[in-house]
Amino acid sequence: EAQVTQNPRYLITVTGKKLTVTCSQNMNHEYMSWYRQDPGLGLRQIYYSMNVEVTDKGDVPEGYKVSRKEKRNFPLILESPSPNQTSLYFCASSRYFGRDNEQFFGPGTRLTVL
Amino acid sequence: QKEVEQNSGPLSVPEGAIASLNCTYSDRGSQSFFWYRQYSGKSPELIMSIYSNGDKEDGRFTAQLNKASQYVSLLIRDSQPSDSATYLCAVRNSGGGADGLTFGKGTHLIIQP
Repeated sequence: EAQVTQNPRYLITVTGKKLTVTCSQNMNHEYMSWYRQDPGLGLRQIYYSMNVEVTDKGDVPEGYKVSRKEKRNFPLILESPSPNQTSLYFCASSRYFGRDNEQFFGPGTRLTVL
Repeated sequence: QKEVEQNSGPLSVPEGAIASLNCTYSDRGSQSFFWYRQYSGKSPELIMSIYSNGDKEDGRFTAQLNKASQYVSLLIRDSQPSDSATYLCAVRNSGGGADGLTFGKGTHLIIQP
């Protein structure tokens, strides 16, 4: 089954404790992206990657890091989480080339930083 | 800053009626437009994509695009309670680089039985 998976689905942590949210896709997609979704603010892109070892900042990258060492994986790293990073996070992937690049979303990770 | 604007709602529509959702965008060079449906606490799922001016129909859904007016809409015919969700308009960014999507904040649709 074609899918994007994220882990963990739910996470409660404390300020300053480093964490990683994993994202994996099995569709051989070049493009992967992280979004956060907050009430009243909608979906905002954090980072994206157009292929292995190619990453770039989205609209709200502060406080986040990513890496793309393998095509299928795109982890999101919070080196020192803060309460304002409490949010619902989605990973998405799509084919890079061509306009018909439907983005497939993972199930989401609900993060609470105390 | 590329923007996608939607009325946040809630938009309340009786069961069986037509629901009309609207979206405007600022990036005049955009060529690809998408409508996603998102149930509360769930991930967005694509329901329609449209690339050319005019109408595109898929079952009960019709997407309409007017690039001159920078306007995209989604019509849902014979609305069902299961259509109650937040509908996100997304526009693919033009120009080199990101190839990502800019999302509107969504319209909350309520279908009243």
